[in-house]
Amino acid sequence: EVQLVESGGGLVQPGGSLRVSCAASGFTVSSNHMSWVRQAPGKGLEWVSVLYRDYSTYYADSVKGRFTISRDNSQNTLYLQMSSLRAEDTAVYYCTRDVESGSFLYFHPWGQGTLVTVSS
Amino acid sequence: DIQMTQSPSSLSASVGDRVTITCRASQTINSYLNWYQQKPGKAPNLLIYTASSLQSGVPSRFSGSGSGTDFTLTISSLQPEDFATYYCQQSYNTPRTFGQGTKLEI
Repeated sequence: EVQLVESGGGLVQPGGSLRVSCAASGFTVSSNHMSWVRQAPGKGLEWVSVLYRDYSTYYADSVKGRFTISRDNSQNTLYLQMSSLRAEDTAVYYCTRDVESGSFLYFHPWGQGTLVTVSS
Repeated sequence: DIQMTQSPSSLSASVGDRVTITCRASQTINSYLNWYQQKPGKAPNLLIYTASSLQSGVPSRFSGSGSGTDFTLTISSLQPEDFATYYCQQSYNTPRTFGQGTKLEI
């Protein structure tokens, strides 16, 4: 069964750092494109970052320069390192596989999410 | 960035109704359009990809159509479990933007 399980969320002070993880099973992270998507409380979905198979990365302007996406192939795990955190980064962070169908891409499946709260 | 605009933002309907949600892109995205369903407290779930392809396991009452800038998600006969928020998302380019969501209330 293809599954994603996030962990590492929690309460962090403004300006602090946190790393969230996403453990994959049923498929190989390094053979797929992987993304992070977040959702602030009561708000909609916001794409955050993508790590392509070839190690190229892209970020939303709102997190560029502060967040870093990476993977550990030996652990089959995706990470999101977050620094200089702000109150507006408070959200549930979901990891998701970026499935390729020809030239088309879609997000499936999704993890259950991990809540990051930035507050003093 | 490509802006995705959904309408309506909320919708009240009854079991058995036919419901249509629209999504408009700020520029052409061909068929690079996906639809997701999200129930309260849960992760989003893929319904439709490439504008009209039904994801495996999704009931056939869900369908998608459109190309270019205008797209629709249709639920042919609403069921109680369809109470959820629906999001469109473009994969034409990065950043992969979502619509603001349509909350469907039964």
